[in-house]
Amino acid sequence: DAGVIQSPRHEVTEMGQEVTLRCKPISGHNSLFWYRQTMMRGLELLIYFNNNVPIDDSGMPEDRFSAKMPNASFSTLKIQPSEPRDSAVYFCASSGGGTVTYEQYFGPGTRLTVT
Amino acid sequence: AQTVTQSQPEMSVQEAETVTLSCTYDTSESDYYLFWYKQPPSRQMILVIRQEAYKQQNATENRFSVNFQKAAKSFSLKISDSQLGDAAMYFCAYSPGGGSNYKLTFGKGTLLTVNP
Repeated sequence: DAGVIQSPRHEVTEMGQEVTLRCKPISGHNSLFWYRQTMMRGLELLIYFNNNVPIDDSGMPEDRFSAKMPNASFSTLKIQPSEPRDSAVYFCASSGGGTVTYEQYFGPGTRLTVT
Repeated sequence: AQTVTQSQPEMSVQEAETVTLSCTYDTSESDYYLFWYKQPPSRQMILVIRQEAYKQQNATENRFSVNFQKAAKSFSLKISDSQLGDAAMYFCAYSPGGGSNYKLTFGKGTLLTVNP
């Protein structure tokens, strides 16, 4: 199994630009999670999907952030417009499958720097 | 709301020795899961061990074991025969059980240094 795949691994952009982060969950998993990690706030859950449907987006910081999951094998997290305070590592994780499991498997993360 | 507290920002251990990382949590649920994740400098989050709240037996994975005290809401991680590769940030995490709510709540982490 290839594990959770995220792209790009690193992203540097200027303030005001649109940023799109991508995630491919583990095949067969039916839950997908987006997290943000910063030194100040630690790991924060932004949003999660179950069977491609957003279940809880209460962690999304503001309207500049949006996430989609058009199918079971792909999700995006978009920031428009980006701001320097969005600089962080963004993780995607997936869980689930044929039997109920609660452990989440993380991708390698995308390090976003907004200048 | 559930909270997870790791009271030790940093810990150090000598290679081959044993170290215990502490974690406490707060919940009103009776059915839940607890996890320890490891984050080495590569920043990859790696699942180390899992404990189901309904199980009385403490989970063990090779050199890693937990001491789960449900009444005290305590979930510590013991690393035996510490190795240089164990050096990482360790996160304790909580997930409610049942239904489709798989949200993980993380503690702030404990940075473990392994001295040769």
